[in-house]
Amino acid sequence: DVKVTQSSRYLVKRTGEKVFLECVQDMDHENMFWYRQDPGLGLRLIYFSYDVKMKEKGDIPEGYSVSREKKERFSLILESASTNQTSMYLCASSRRYSWNTEAFFGQGTRLTVV
Amino acid sequence: DQQVKQNSPSLSVQEGRISILNCDYTNSMFDYFLWYKKYPAEGPTFLISISSIKDKNEDGRFTVFLNKSAKHLSLHIVPSQPGDSAVYFCAARGQAGNQFYFGTGTSLTVIP
Repeated sequence: DVKVTQSSRYLVKRTGEKVFLECVQDMDHENMFWYRQDPGLGLRLIYFSYDVKMKEKGDIPEGYSVSREKKERFSLILESASTNQTSMYLCASSRRYSWNTEAFFGQGTRLTVV
Repeated sequence: DQQVKQNSPSLSVQEGRISILNCDYTNSMFDYFLWYKKYPAEGPTFLISISSIKDKNEDGRFTVFLNKSAKHLSLHIVPSQPGDSAVYFCAARGQAGNQFYFGTGTSLTVIP
């Protein structure tokens, strides 16, 4: 069974803290993604990576950075957490372009910044 | 600017009836479309997809229709069941193949 695993289901952090969200996939996928989900706004892409050490900004990269040192692992970093980063964070992975590829998601991390 | 739009935030349907969820997109270069289902506190799970070279794809109770000229797709669930109650996201893949663009979601409630 294919798996994308996020390190935490729930996190509570203080304003100004540096926060690390980890994601691991076991499908040997080239592409990995970080989204956040907010009510009424759907899934918005923060960053994605199409290869080790490669990254591209999505729609809302401000306040975030990412790291991909190994193919199976993609980390999202909140440099200085703020309350407007309270959200559900979703990691996903997919194969590089083929006609029927889909994205597989992790279970999500509910982050609350207080 | 939102390239994939779901204009109905919510939908309620009686058990056994048809649920129709709609999605519009603006980019004619999208070549692959997907529907995902999401329960609270879980990640989205893939439901069904359709290539831009087709106009219909069926999988059990789920059928997706694509109207390229109208840039519109829809998901039909027949018959609807209470376990179908979830948020449904429409997604499209860019022709470069590496990004997925998601809509804002429609919350479906199936009433027993």
